[in-house]
Amino acid sequence: AQSVTQPDIHITVSEGASLELRCNYSYGATPYLFWYVQSPGQGLQLLLKYFSGDTLVQGIKGFEAEFKRSQSSFNLRKPSVHWSDAAEYFCAVGPRGGADGLTFGKGTHLIIQP
Amino acid sequence: DTGVSQNPRHKITKRGQNVTFRCDPISEHNRLYWYRQTLGQGPEFLTYFQNEAQLEKSRLLSDRFSAERPKGSFSTLEIQRTEQGDSAMYLCASSLDPTPETQYFGPGTRLLVL
Repeated sequence: AQSVTQPDIHITVSEGASLELRCNYSYGATPYLFWYVQSPGQGLQLLLKYFSGDTLVQGIKGFEAEFKRSQSSFNLRKPSVHWSDAAEYFCAVGPRGGADGLTFGKGTHLIIQP
Repeated sequence: DTGVSQNPRHKITKRGQNVTFRCDPISEHNRLYWYRQTLGQGPEFLTYFQNEAQLEKSRLLSDRFSAERPKGSFSTLEIQRTEQGDSAMYLCASSLDPTPETQYFGPGTRLLVL
């Protein structure tokens, strides 16, 4: 069965510092990979996605993620965080070959220190 | 494109009552998904529609849950005889063929069962 692990439940970063959120997945083949962000009481907003091709993908709000097949990882990065980045971040995998529900990790809560 | 909308945004009910939620997907999106998110967890897949056909249901979807998408546009999720364990955020997402697909989420309906 597919699964997603986000090892860090909480991460605290100073404003202006760099950020890396970890995501590891377990899947029988190369899945589709996503990062979503959720502000308190809100739905999920898509930050970026990986389907194929270049393993470094750019997203909105200055985020990027790198797919590493050998490590089954899809870590999210941002060079300089802003206070408005404080939110819950979810990594998700989806199967190839047809539509299906996404499998999400438990999320990483990002706290920004002034 | 007005995004995915969900109504109501919040619902408080007493145990044993029935509740119904509505989801309006992005116009022309033929796929529609329901997820449930409990506190501190990532969303969990419940069910999926391709146009009006319900093609997949998670084991999480007990007999008390029923979902419809009668004309292939909006969808409803009904929970009968609610239990306190049903308290959660119910998220709807929509996407457009073909694969690979990206799911776009609505703001969710937060249910509290007293």
